[in-house]
Amino acid sequence: AQSVTQLDSQVPVFEEAPVELRCNYSSSVSVYLFWYVQYPNQGLQLLLKYLSGSTLVKGINGFEAEFNKSQTSFHLRKPSVHISDTAEYFCAVTTNTGFQKLVFGTGTRLLVSP
Amino acid sequence: GAVVSQHPSWVICKSGTSVKIECRSLDFQATTMFWYRQFPKQSLMLMATSNEGSKATYEQGVEKDKFLINHASLTLSTLTVTSAHPEDSSFYICSAYVTGELFFGEGSRLTVL
Repeated sequence: AQSVTQLDSQVPVFEEAPVELRCNYSSSVSVYLFWYVQYPNQGLQLLLKYLSGSTLVKGINGFEAEFNKSQTSFHLRKPSVHISDTAEYFCAVTTNTGFQKLVFGTGTRLLVSP
Repeated sequence: GAVVSQHPSWVICKSGTSVKIECRSLDFQATTMFWYRQFPKQSLMLMATSNEGSKATYEQGVEKDKFLINHASLTLSTLTVTSAHPEDSSFYICSAYVTGELFFGEGSRLTVL
């Protein structure tokens, strides 16, 4: 079975600074990887996904992530954050394109301060 | 993008009562919907997979008789928490799958007193 590890439970950063949210996965087969954002008391919104092809994936709101198979990582980055980026970010993995058994990490809270 | 709507957003009920949460795909048909549970400051845990016209598939450890899931149409799945107790208080989120995409509802916060 696959698993996801988000080592950082909280990442504080100042506005306009760059940020990287770390995600490592474990799987014995090929995976599909996702990053979702959750604002307070709301559902999840897809930021970006890796299914195949280029390992550098660009998403919404200026976020990007790089799939590194050798390091089994899919870290999320943004070169300059805004106050409005304050939210919970979840990395998720599945081995099925039908999203069966989508497994989420424990989440990273990004706190952007002025 | 596609819209998935959950209702109600918030619900407070007394212990022992049953609560129904609806998940609707507003502008598309979803043969498969998923139900998740999220505890405070924790991740989403898949509870069950709901397929239209068939019985839901529950994850290990999820009580089928406690969490009744019905997917009677291609646009509606419901989760009924039967005889709710305070430990059932949680944030419940549904999602709907359509051709390579997964869309999430806004979530429903259940508080059982």
